[in-house]
Amino acid sequence: DAKTTQPNSMESNEEEPVHLPCNHSTISGTDYIHWYRQLPSQGPEYVIHGLTSNVNNRMASLAIAEDRKSSTLILHRATLRDAAVYYCILSLLNAGGTSYGKLTFGQGTILTVHP
Amino acid sequence: DGGITQSPKYLFRKEGQNVTLSCEQNLNHDAMYWYRQDPGQGLRLIYYSQIVNDFQKGDIAEGYSVSREKKESFPLTVTSAQKNPTAFYLCASSTRGENTEAFFGQGTRLTVV
Repeated sequence: DAKTTQPNSMESNEEEPVHLPCNHSTISGTDYIHWYRQLPSQGPEYVIHGLTSNVNNRMASLAIAEDRKSSTLILHRATLRDAAVYYCILSLLNAGGTSYGKLTFGQGTILTVHP
Repeated sequence: DGGITQSPKYLFRKEGQNVTLSCEQNLNHDAMYWYRQDPGQGLRLIYYSQIVNDFQKGDIAEGYSVSREKKESFPLTVTSAQKNPTAFYLCASSTRGENTEAFFGQGTRLTVV
């Protein structure tokens, strides 16, 4: 399975943008890039996912490099509630062309947001 | 409200005892999963089920067992064969659509003494 590499930790100030990087140099053409985040003692929460094009939703934006070997999760204005561990994950399509929630988590990036 | 429910939130057991963790979802999802998380680590997949009456081993299935008799339920049994059972256990579910998101429960923290 393709692996992802993320910085162990990052810090930000409240109301500033945050760019969380992820390297996935061995990504295959059928791998989707997912981002989840996890608050302490809670289950992970879906943030965003994409394949090739940049994606936006109400929580964040996902910028995917043209060669797909890296991606960046963008939080446009960090709040204290965004402090969490952020996981960048690749999910595979099965032979039928669909993907389930069979996700392989790394250690993620601990995001600290300062008031 | 639709969601995925794990119970109990905290569980204590004596060493050598089997224990079953509950996971129920009312999202009408076909697929369900069990993950284990140790302190400071990411999640590791224990078992997953893509359809009723079928399940597959994940990366760390030894010492665990599951059943999937109903679409809504996917209980996990931690057996006495699991050498280090103390951990945070997370259940998740998803649809079978193309690359849909997984929904996670709030987890069960199991402590074996």
